[in-house]
Amino acid sequence: EAGVVQSPRYKIIEKKQPVAFWCNPISGHNTLYWYLQNLGQGPELLIRYENEEAVDDSQLPKDRFSAERLKGVDSTLKIQPAELGDSAVYLCASSSGTRGSGELFFGEGSRLTVL
Amino acid sequence: AQRVTQPEKLLSVFKGAPVELKCNYSYSGSPELFWYVQYSRQRLQLLLRHISRESIKGFTADLNKGETSFHLKKPFAQEEDSAMYYCALSTGGGNKLTFGTGTQLKVEL
Repeated sequence: EAGVVQSPRYKIIEKKQPVAFWCNPISGHNTLYWYLQNLGQGPELLIRYENEEAVDDSQLPKDRFSAERLKGVDSTLKIQPAELGDSAVYLCASSSGTRGSGELFFGEGSRLTVL
Repeated sequence: AQRVTQPEKLLSVFKGAPVELKCNYSYSGSPELFWYVQYSRQRLQLLLRHISRESIKGFTADLNKGETSFHLKKPFAQEEDSAMYYCALSTGGGNKLTFGTGTQLKVEL
């Protein structure tokens, strides 16, 4: 089992450029999460999907961030245009959705540097 | 709104010494608390959850609703315990987690 797969692992772009991150969750996991982790901080939820439906996107800055999970499997997180403050690690996680289990399986993260 | 506070960014102890990583939470409902750990160059992973009342790798954590705390403890620290530890709170059912800022545990020989 490969676990949650994310790509790219590292991305360096100039401000105002677009960037996209991809996530493949663990097979059979219907819940998928995107978290943002700034340096020295804990992960902060951006968006949570139950299958293909975004059930919690209250923390997603919708003016520049967008996400999709077509067919309820893979997901893509996009930033357009990127700003200097977007430099962070973007974590994808998945879970089987069992109520209250609290076990999220995380990917290795995508580290974004905006110059 | 829910909040998780980990007051220590770094905790340094000697091998064999007791360890206590502090976690306090703020939530008006019935909380579910977890500890996640990230070892060097590894993914963030679940260490333990309060409802299981289990000991994992010698670590235990007791939920104290009166003090709104969920401190992580281990009687004798080992070198392999060096890692980043995050306390997390789940609210309203499901698996929506709010994380603390983390504590870096360093076990010195």
